[in-house]
Order: sequence, then C-alpha cells, then structure tokens
Amino acid sequence: DVKVTQSSRYLVKRTGEKVFLECVQDMDHENMFWYRQDPGLGLRLIYFSYDVKMKEKGDIPEGYSVSREKKERFSLILESASTNQTSMYLCASSLRVDSGGGQGTQYFGPGTRLTVL
Amino acid sequence: EDQVTQSPEALRLQEGESSSLNCSYTVSGLRGLFWYRQDPGKGPEFLFTLYSAGEEKEKERLKATLTKKESFLHITAPKPEDSATYLCAVQLLAYSGAGSYQLTFGKGTKLSVIP
Repeated sequence: DVKVTQSSRYLVKRTGEKVFLECVQDMDHENMFWYRQDPGLGLRLIYFSYDVKMKEKGDIPEGYSVSREKKERFSLILESASTNQTSMYLCASSLRVDSGGGQGTQYFGPGTRLTVL
Repeated sequence: EDQVTQSPEALRLQEGESSSLNCSYTVSGLRGLFWYRQDPGKGPEFLFTLYSAGEEKEKERLKATLTKKESFLHITAPKPEDSATYLCAVQLLAYSGAGSYQLTFGKGTKLSVIP
C-alpha cells in the first residue's frame, strides 16, 4: 500500500514564525504535491514537484516555498506565517504513469491542521 | 475557465436508500477523472479513476460512471459507514509536461447515511 506521512497532525504557530511542514512517501513516486483545504474553497494546489530539486507553482503559491532534496521527501515552508494561512495542509504523491497507463493517481497523507495565532 | 462542480453540496440518505452524486466539468479536454472519499479531519482516500466516456468502475456499494460532460457516483443500499465527503477531481489535457499531473478539485458532496 502507498503510504504518505506528514510530520504533524496538529500545529499551532505564531504570526511571523517560519513554519516547516514535512511529507514523506515510501512508494518511490516521482511527483509530490502540497494542497491546502478550506471550508467552501475545496482543495487548492500550492506547489508540486515532479523530480528531485524541481518544483512548479500551483494556483496559490504566494507566501509559501518548497524544498525537495530527496525523492521521498517534500517540504512546505511558510516563510513568515500569517493568520490567513490557518488551514488544513495536505500532501500527496503520484507516479508519472499509472500501471493502467494513466497519468498518476494521487495518494494523500493524513493532513496537518495548522493554526496561526 | 475550467471548472468542476459537484452536486448536491450535501445529501442525507436513510440506510438502504440508493442515490447518485454528480460531478460536472466544463473543461477543454479531459485526461482523467478521479473520485476520492474524505472522512472528517483526514486526507482524501482514492476510490476510482475514469479516463473515457462510457467507462464504469465499481467497488462494493459504489459505482462510478463517466460521460463527456459529467460523472456520477452511484451508491447502492448505503450504510452509515459510507458517510463521508466525496470529492471529484479532473486532470486536464490542456496542461503539458509537468503541469499534466495537476488535479482540479470540486468542492465535494457531504453524504450522511442515517441508520
């Protein structure tokens, strides 16, 4: 089974702090993704990575950065946390091509509920 | 603008009362459509991928179908443990290269099954 783990289930930080969210997958997936999920807005893509040291902006990258130094690990960084970054953060990973020939079913981690005070 | 719309937003069913959830999309070209189940406070759990109109996939009480403009998730004789939010997501042909891996999600249908 695919396993995606996230470093914390719950996190409380103060405004202005630098925050690191870590995600690890154990299935040798090429692609990794960071989303945030907010009531009424659904899942929105922040950043994704298709290879080590490679990254692409998603729909809402402002205020975030990412790091992928190893294939299995993808970190989301909030350079200076703000209250509007209070949210559920979800990491996902996928193969480039599924066994069925499709392009990469995404498998999600359990999420990190971040509160910025 | 490409959009994914799920309806209804919320659905309450009696145990055993079959129904369908809808996911309609207005996208220029569909590479694949995905269904996920999400329990409160947890990450989405993958259910199905559909690639072409007419395709159907089944798993226990769930069956997903795909047409050129929408997908349905049919729930037959649901049980309370089927209560969850069901998410639909599309992968677009418009994106190439690394972007082709992106998913665009709908806002979900919250299903409650009452014993």
